[in-house]
Amino acid sequence: EAGVVQSPRYKIIEKKQPVAFWCNPISGHNTLYWYLQNLGQGPELLIRYENEEAVDDSQLPKDRFSAERLKGVDSTLKIQPAELGDSAVYLCASSLSRQNNEQFFGPGTRLTVL
Amino acid sequence: AQSVAQPEDQVNVAEGNPLTVKCTYSVSGNPYLFWYVQYPNRGLQFLLKYITGDNLVKGSYGFEAEFNKSQTSFHLKKPSALVSDSALYFCAVRAPSGGYNKLIFGAGTRLAVHP
Repeated sequence: EAGVVQSPRYKIIEKKQPVAFWCNPISGHNTLYWYLQNLGQGPELLIRYENEEAVDDSQLPKDRFSAERLKGVDSTLKIQPAELGDSAVYLCASSLSRQNNEQFFGPGTRLTVL
Repeated sequence: AQSVAQPEDQVNVAEGNPLTVKCTYSVSGNPYLFWYVQYPNRGLQFLLKYITGDNLVKGSYGFEAEFNKSQTSFHLKKPSALVSDSALYFCAVRAPSGGYNKLIFGAGTRLAVHP
């Protein structure tokens, strides 16, 4: 069984440029999460989807971050414009359902903003 | 407020010796507790969880964790460490939020196992 797939694995951009990250969850997983992991810290939830509906986006900086999961499968997280402080690893995870306790994580996208 | 604390930034242990990685938590209600491991340039991998039942939980790769309600702790243990266990370990607690599955992670503990 394929795990959670993320691309790109690495991205280097200049500040004020836009950037997008893509995630394909495990087949059949209805719940999808985007996390932000700063260096030396644990992951922090940005947004959670139940199928195509964003059910918890309270930690998402909506002035510059956006996300979508149009068909309830893969998802895209966008930053526009990027700032220096956005440099971090962006992790995607999925689980069977909101009641399921085990989340499966992708390898992450390491973003560097210059 | 829900929180997780991992008091040690790094734990050093010799191969073959027992290891303990500490975790304490603060959560309202009954805690759902997890341990994840992260190898370099890879995502987090699930090790084990405590939901209910026996306080000693066994997980992947020979790891186990002991839930202690009175001390609000969930320390990760292994009887005999391997060099390949060297990685970053995260403790997490599920914060009850209207039935949703929100994980709050600790800052992580780097485990270094020396030959």
